[in-house]
Amino acid sequence: DTEVTQTPKHLVMGMTNKKSLKCEQHMGHRAMYWYKQKAKKPPELMFVYSYEKLSINESVPSRFSPECPNSSLLNLHLHALQPEDSALYLCASSQGRWGGDEKLFFGSGTQLSVL
Amino acid sequence: DQQVKQNSPSLSVQEGRISILNCDYTNSMFDYFLWYKKYPAEGPTFLISISSIKDKNEDGRFTVFLNKSAKHLSLHIVPSQPGDSAVYFCAASGQMKTSYDKVIFGPGTSLSVIP
Repeated sequence: DTEVTQTPKHLVMGMTNKKSLKCEQHMGHRAMYWYKQKAKKPPELMFVYSYEKLSINESVPSRFSPECPNSSLLNLHLHALQPEDSALYLCASSQGRWGGDEKLFFGSGTQLSVL
Repeated sequence: DQQVKQNSPSLSVQEGRISILNCDYTNSMFDYFLWYKKYPAEGPTFLISISSIKDKNEDGRFTVFLNKSAKHLSLHIVPSQPGDSAVYFCAASGQMKTSYDKVIFGPGTSLSVIP
């Protein structure tokens, strides 16, 4: 199984809503990532979990709250988002060996629209 | 400041011909380079990679060339097929100040292969 599964595929939410994005992998990877991608732009790193511990937070606003319940699951909790947060949110995983040969496996993403 | 650059936003190639996608980087700390392919509404998929100790890596129709002195790499696709039409992201990683690698993506090149 080389899949990273993300749910939901699409999400529309108001600025006062609370929602969560979910990500799951069963490749035994120990690093999991959240990226944000706007149209015609490269993926931008938001968070990295390494061995279930948050190792990178790229100065993301607190309205985004990541959670890693175990080595296979990654959540992104959303609260009081702004319309400019509308984007494709990508989850990825990698082995976590940090030797340079760190191939990322991406999910299909959640297309988020904030109204 | 962009550390990974792809100066051609788009490229059109006739089916059967060679596609050459270029990438430049500025950070000499990068020691591993990857190419990802992305179809609309899907996450990026790993295509091919190269370590900084090599100058060429080949996988079927895909070859990546690295010129470290020029901080330049290129992806060659021969022969190009209509199914290769996608956005191609160049990415770089390396041992930064922390114990983990951060993968930095370029802005992408949209390749269209015309039948």
